[in-house]
Amino acid sequence: DAGITQSPRHKVTETGTPVTLRCHQTENHRYMYWYRQDPGHGLRLIHYSYGVKDTDKGEVSDGYSVSRSKTEDFLLTLESATSSQTSVYFCAISESRDRAYEQYFGPGTRLTVT
Amino acid sequence: DAKTTQPPSMDCAEGRAANLPCNHSTISGNEYVYWYRQIHSQGPQYIIHGLKNNETNEMASLIITEDRKSSTLILPHATLRDTAVYYCIVSPRDGNKLVFGAGTILRVKS
Repeated sequence: DAGITQSPRHKVTETGTPVTLRCHQTENHRYMYWYRQDPGHGLRLIHYSYGVKDTDKGEVSDGYSVSRSKTEDFLLTLESATSSQTSVYFCAISESRDRAYEQYFGPGTRLTVT
Repeated sequence: DAKTTQPPSMDCAEGRAANLPCNHSTISGNEYVYWYRQIHSQGPQYIIHGLKNNETNEMASLIITEDRKSSTLILPHATLRDTAVYYCIVSPRDGNKLVFGAGTILRVKS
C-alpha cells in the first residue's frame, strides 16, 4: 500500500468550530488531493496541490481551504464547520502530471458536524 | 470530460470471470479510460487504464472497443474480496480532476 496516512480517522465537532484534517505521505509524490464522499454524490474533489505552496480548487471548494508547506503534508481546513460538511474525507496522491490518473488513496477521515 | 454509463449492480460467482461494462460514447481522442474500485469503508483503489489498446496487469484486463465508445473490465477469477464498487472514469491523461460517478456494485458470491 502507498504510504498515506490521514489524521484524525474519526472526529466529531460542533457547528462553527474550526477543523483541520491532515494527510501525510511518505512517497514523495508531487500531487495531492482532497475528496469528500457522500451518499448519492460519490467522490467529489475539494482541492488539490501540484507542489509545495501550489494549490487549486476542485468541484466543491466552498467552505474549505488547504495548505501545503511541505511535500509530505497536505492540510484541509474547515474554517467554521457546518452540518453540510459531515462526510468522509479522502486524501489521495499521484506521482506526476503524466500519471495523475493513477491516484493512491488514504484510509479516510469520518467527520461528523453536530 | 466524457460521461460514462455503468450498470448499477452485478453479481458474479466466486472463481468465475467478472465482466464489468462501461459505455463512454462521447469519449474524445485524448481521453483515457480508467478503472478504480472501492471496497466498503476503504479509499478507492486504482486498477488499470487504457487509451485504445487492450491492457492487462496483475489485477485485471481492460478491453476497449475499436471505436472506443465502450470498454469492459475483466476480473479473470473473482474472489469474495473483489466485492466492491467499480468506477469507470474517462479523462485526459493529465486528469487531475477525476470525476467519480455512481459506479457498479459487484457482488461476488460463493
